[in-house]
Amino acid sequence: NAGVTQTPKFQVLKTGQSMTLQCAQDMNHNSMYWYRQDPGMGLRLIYYSASEGTTDKGEVPNGYNVSRLNKREFSLRLESAAPSQTSVYFCASSKTANTEAFFGQGTRLTVV
Amino acid sequence: QQQVKQSPQSLIVQKGGISIINCAYENTAFDYFPWYQQFPGKGPALLIAIRPDVSEKKEGRFTISFNKSAKQFSLHIMDSQPGDSATYFCAARDNYGQNFVFGPGTRLSVLP
Repeated sequence: NAGVTQTPKFQVLKTGQSMTLQCAQDMNHNSMYWYRQDPGMGLRLIYYSASEGTTDKGEVPNGYNVSRLNKREFSLRLESAAPSQTSVYFCASSKTANTEAFFGQGTRLTVV
Repeated sequence: QQQVKQSPQSLIVQKGGISIINCAYENTAFDYFPWYQQFPGKGPALLIAIRPDVSEKKEGRFTISFNKSAKQFSLHIMDSQPGDSATYFCAARDNYGQNFVFGPGTRLSVLP
């Protein structure tokens, strides 16, 4: 039972490079989320998708784009990476908007 | 601005002691309050959750106490063990929003 799977686990980018973080869940959940985690700041929501075909901005969306490819997959794209985007990124999913969220293992991204 | 405040930032407890982490919120629309446990290098995992229609919920050594009028809730870990050493996040969600709001986290260290 894989749950929420994120790839890659680690990534180093140069300033200005682009990349896509992949996330897939096998729990048939409707809602999916992307968070970033920075020391002392907890988890902050970047984007979420309440259901297939919809996406909405969270607390810190600037510099990111997302795609809800299908019910299982929700990707996060950095078009032009900046050092301020150095963080640990977590994908999560939940059955509905008001039920517990399950998290992936995270992607540690460093932008130099 | 939705916000959840959490204290203390870090906590050191002797084995067998009681660990207490406190959270407070302002948004009266919040109606689901989970606690997440995160070990280094892992994603957060749901530990225990409560809805505001009850004042206390206990699961094993973990108890949530909820004070709706004060808009506060807390996590108590009884008989704390070194294996409980982790970062704990409180969170809150409302019926109108589509995401969880997280506290900044508490790093718990249980000394053997």
